[in-house]
Parts: sequence; structure tokens; C-alpha cells
Amino acid sequence: DQQVKQNSPSLSVQEGRISILNCDYTNSMFDYFLWYKKYPAEGPTFLISISSIKDKNEDGRFTVFLNKSAKHLSLHIVPSQPGDSAVYFCAASTNAGNMLTFGGGTRLMVKP
Amino acid sequence: NAGVTQTPKFRILKIGQSMTLQCTQDMNHNYMYWYRQDPGMGLKLIYYSVGAGITDKGEVPNGYNVSRSTTEDFPLRLELAAPSQTSVYFCASRGNQPQHFGDGTRLSIL
Repeated sequence: DQQVKQNSPSLSVQEGRISILNCDYTNSMFDYFLWYKKYPAEGPTFLISISSIKDKNEDGRFTVFLNKSAKHLSLHIVPSQPGDSAVYFCAASTNAGNMLTFGGGTRLMVKP
Repeated sequence: NAGVTQTPKFRILKIGQSMTLQCTQDMNHNYMYWYRQDPGMGLKLIYYSVGAGITDKGEVPNGYNVSRSTTEDFPLRLELAAPSQTSVYFCASRGNQPQHFGDGTRLSIL
């Protein structure tokens, strides 16, 4: 039973446009959510996080939105750049980021 | 550079062989983790540790063992390698910031 799901395996976006990556979860006990970015042959790198007491967190071009009632979060990248092309993982935790449950990832391709 | 170092980067094992995947961090983090990532899938937690001498099972611990004798090192042991353990293995550590990952060990069992 997947507690964290990323239903879009891939997404293609034109450079300069907005990229929207989505994530759904089933466990209402999750209280901390993170996005990681992964390039080939490298480990995941932390991108942005959000606590369940907030509905939005912004860091430069990256914004994460949390809709607790829908058990849904999304990552917006504006404007998208070719260097953003990577696999993005959504992750969730019930204990402030100690043990993470990951989604299956979405491969983002930003075309020049 | 400070971070999480995993060795080896690649390894091919025969069925039934054993090996240890090494993980070292130099950030003095108490928390350390082992994940596996199968093709097209997310990361799944194998084992984790909250400090030296303390380890606990994650979601998929069968076929693996760990130890944590020092803060820096968290090796993962495969005793009897099976084809189902073919995967990419990631080690991570955490202090006050989100989990920081190594670059992984790609393991194939034939």
C-alpha cells in the first residue's frame, strides 16, 4: 500500500514556463513534507519542505503548496530552466523528518 | 567536502555471496539511514540508527543487517545475496536539517 504517490511518471515543460509536480498521500498522520531532486548517478538532494501547519512555502523559484483536506501537495517551479531537468521525489514524515516515506518520483524534462 | 561517502560505487555479486556496503559521514549527525531504490520506484527504508549503538528496522529489512559502533560509520551487510537485492543503495544522515544523501552504491546480483 503506497502511502505517498506521484501519479505522473514524467513531465515535459518548455524553458521559462511553470512546472507543476504533484503528490498525493493517504496517511493523515504525516506532518512534514519534503521535495528532493535527483540527477543521474547522484544521491537525492533536498529542495524544499513544508510543515503541516502551513499551506505554502516559497524559496526562490520553488514553491510548495499543501492541501491537507485533499491530502495533496504540489511543487511549482517558475520559471523552469534546463538545469531543473531531474527526477523529483516527494517525501512525507510523521516525526519531523526522521523516517521518510517516498513517492515513486516524477521525471521533469525542461526543453530549451 | 563534508558529506556522506558511500563505497563501493558499483559491485557485482554472485548469488549467495556476502558483502558490506560502507557509509561514512563527517557532519557529526546522530541519525543515519539506509534506503534502496529499485528501477522506477521511490526509496524504501531498510534500517536506520538514532545514534551509536542504536539501530532499528525500516520498511524492508529482510536479508540485511546493520551495526553502528561509531557516530561516523553505518555499514550495511548482505549475508546471502539474492537477485531480489539488485538495487541502488543510498545512505543518508541527518542532524537539524533534512536528510543528506550519499551518491549511492549500484549493486547487481547475478
